[in-house]
Parts: sequence; C-alpha cells; structure tokens
Amino acid sequence: ETGVTQSPTHLIKTRGQQVTLRCSSQSGHNTVSWYQQALGQGPQFIFQYYREEENGRGNFPPRFSGLQFPNYSSELNVNALELDDSALYLCASRAGLNTEAFFGQGTRLTVV
Amino acid sequence: KNEVEQSPQNLTAQEGEFITINCSYSVGISALHWLQQHPGGGIVSLFMLSSGKKKHGRLIATINIQEKHSSLHITASHPRDSAVYICAVSALNTDKLIFGTGTRLQVFP
Repeated sequence: ETGVTQSPTHLIKTRGQQVTLRCSSQSGHNTVSWYQQALGQGPQFIFQYYREEENGRGNFPPRFSGLQFPNYSSELNVNALELDDSALYLCASRAGLNTEAFFGQGTRLTVV
Repeated sequence: KNEVEQSPQNLTAQEGEFITINCSYSVGISALHWLQQHPGGGIVSLFMLSSGKKKHGRLIATINIQEKHSSLHITASHPRDSAVYICAVSALNTDKLIFGTGTRLQVFP
C-alpha cells in the first residue's frame, strides 16, 4: 500500500474523445509526476507538478495537460485521443524534490 | 541509445538462485531508484540510493557513481520475486525520473 490512489483503474475511450485521469497523493506530498507506459516498455515521463505549478515536461504534445490541487490530488487530461495513447498511466507522488517516489496502481486506458 | 539501460531484459531462475540485474546510465543524477512492478501495473519502490549500498531483507542494491552503474541483487530467490524490476534515475537538474525498460524476472520452484 503506497498511499497513492488512481481512478479509474480501467477506461475505454473512442478516438477523438477527451479523458481525465485522477491521482490522489499522500498527504504532504507536494510533487506529483505522471508517466505513460506502453505495453512492454518502461514508463515515459509526461510532466511533473510541484506546489501546483508544472516544473518539468517530457516529449508529449500539448493535448496532454495537467493540474495539481491544494489537497494533493492531481489530474491528467488528454484531448483528441489517438489509438497510440492506449497505455498504462501512472502517477507518482513525492514529499519533495529528490525524495522517494510512491506510485499509484495506474489507469489502463484503451482507445478504440 | 537510451539514457538508462538495463540488462538482462529477461531472466529465468530456479528457486534459491542468486540473481543480479544491472543498470547503466548516461546522465547526471541525484539518485537512482530500483522499482518492482507486478502484473496489473502497480509499481513499488524498493530502493533509492545515491552512493554505496543498501540492503533490505534478501535484496541488495549497489551504485558506483564514477562508473554510472548500479546492480540489484536478490539472494535465495523465490517464486514470489517474479516481477519486472525497473531501474530509474532522478535527473540532476530537472529531478524528473528517467526509466529503464525493465528486467522481467521469473523464478520457478
């Protein structure tokens, strides 16, 4: 039990739709990052939020966006879904920069 | 070339065997993480280290900063150790995690 929960656990969407994935971090964890993991691959960094501000972004297009809230929850939004967006999406929370990361169970998104 | 490389990609062992998984990285880091991922997706942090060696139960992690190399050892392996083991580094200036592609370990009774 990592204390980080993600919802929903599974989701099926149609190409072109929009999706919002949610992550509830451990209390006091002011850093949250999101990752995309395609089948058989390691997770790829999407972006990171520190105290509600984005402070790092990977090679993902602007249709991937996020928010972090004062209550330590966060969202990943993906617009104009494409088939290649099908993956496991993981969030990880940390108490601060350069500290241990605690991962959620992930949301498995399938785009059809 | 990936910034974090792991070897081997797949590993099969008999119960009781000593296992080593290697990780090499090419970027400046503030820390290295060893993670375990079971089928279904959840990732558990095993170690976070920036120098030397750490031990937890049957697991040992070492890091050589000069050589940019880390190893994860499992002593007296057990079928419940079967999982994907992922090496990730915290990049020095951005603190973002960069992941290796993982090592799939299967331990047979």
